[in-house]
Amino acid sequence: AQTVTQSQPEMSVQEAETVTLSCTYDTSESDYYLFWYKQPPSRQMILVIRQEAYKQQNATENRFSVNFQKAAKSFSLKISDSQLGDAAMYFCAYNTNAGKSTFGDGTTLTVKP
Amino acid sequence: EAQVTQNPRYLITVTGKKLTVTCSQNMNHEYMSWYRQDPGLGLRQIYYSMNVEVTDKGDVPEGYKVSRKEKRNFPLILESPSPNQTSLYFCASSFRDRGRSGYTFGSGTRLTVV
Repeated sequence: AQTVTQSQPEMSVQEAETVTLSCTYDTSESDYYLFWYKQPPSRQMILVIRQEAYKQQNATENRFSVNFQKAAKSFSLKISDSQLGDAAMYFCAYNTNAGKSTFGDGTTLTVKP
Repeated sequence: EAQVTQNPRYLITVTGKKLTVTCSQNMNHEYMSWYRQDPGLGLRQIYYSMNVEVTDKGDVPEGYKVSRKEKRNFPLILESPSPNQTSLYFCASSFRDRGRSGYTFGSGTRLTVV
């Protein structure tokens, strides 16, 4: 069974600064996909960034980037130039190619003005 | 607008009274999935479906049923709800692209069982 661990229940960052959220996972499969989702107070789940396990290049989406270390089974999210609108709960998730998914318990990010 | 629609958004029911939460998507997605979210536990997958008439158990399927008779619909059925099924429920869908796209989520259903 796959497991996803987010070791930081809460993080805070100053507006305009950079923050990194950690995620580790455990799996015996070689083909899988990793995601970071954002859940603001509205509760809507929003896809932030995705990473395919067979790609060595780290994914980037504007101010969001990942550091994917496959051998270490680590998948951290870096948010640059943090904005007040980035405040939310962030979930790391793992998908198999059959649609089964596993989520971490989440990290609450606070952005201080 | 491409979306996943869940109904109802809020529901309070009594123990043992059968209920159905509907989920519909208009994106022609093959994959659909149900999750529950409880405080401090993230999202846990209840059931998922790769296509019509194909469903599989997720991590917490006990007490739930699903059916996938049409591609666009994936209802979640609680035959005899209990208070421990009080939770926030999400339906989600994605293309059959080996999990690459990630799921698109509905707005959630807040269920309270008293």
